[in-house]
Amino acid sequence: NAGVTQTPKFQVLKTGQSMTLQCAQDMNHEYMSWYRQDPGMGLRLIHYSVGAGITDQGEVPNGYNVSRSTTEDFPLRLLSAAPSQTSVYFCASSSNRQGVQHFGDGTRLSIL
Amino acid sequence: EDQVTQSPEALRLQEGESSSLNCSYTVSGLRGLFWYRQDPGKGPEFLFTLYSAGEEKEKERLKATLTKKESFLHITAPKPEDSATYLCAVQESGGSYIPTFGRGTSLIVHP
Repeated sequence: NAGVTQTPKFQVLKTGQSMTLQCAQDMNHEYMSWYRQDPGMGLRLIHYSVGAGITDQGEVPNGYNVSRSTTEDFPLRLLSAAPSQTSVYFCASSSNRQGVQHFGDGTRLSIL
Repeated sequence: EDQVTQSPEALRLQEGESSSLNCSYTVSGLRGLFWYRQDPGKGPEFLFTLYSAGEEKEKERLKATLTKKESFLHITAPKPEDSATYLCAVQESGGSYIPTFGRGTSLIVHP
């Protein structure tokens, strides 16, 4: 029962570098989303997708890109990393609009 | 102004000392309210969904209740393994399906 798998678990980047955070789910869920979690700030939505080929912006989308070419995968791209993007990133999926969200265990990203 | 406010931010209890966590929300129409538990280094794990005022859900030592403006997570006779951060999330009617999360309550239960 893999559920939602995020890779890598930890990453250190230098300012200006780019990278992709991977998220894969094996539950055939249509809905997927990316959050960042910062101390004292709770979970803030970055981008979300309601199905393959469909994405939309959340509360804090600047500096991030997403695409959804398959149902299973929803990668998050940092185009030019900035120290303000140091955070823990969580991917989640759900089966429908009223469904429970299933979360991965996060990627801890530090940008120097 | 936050749509979802959780209090207290942190709570320390002795084993067996019952208490409640609060989640108040200001959305105009509620589609659903969710409670999650998050352990250090892990993603949130689903506990309950509540849909209408007066509804209650129970699981072991936890009971969630809902009114028109807030939800409570009651913890009865807690044990050290109940220590975690508890997150509340609200799904608004007519909006996107994505819930808005509160900032969480960090609970520590001392043996």
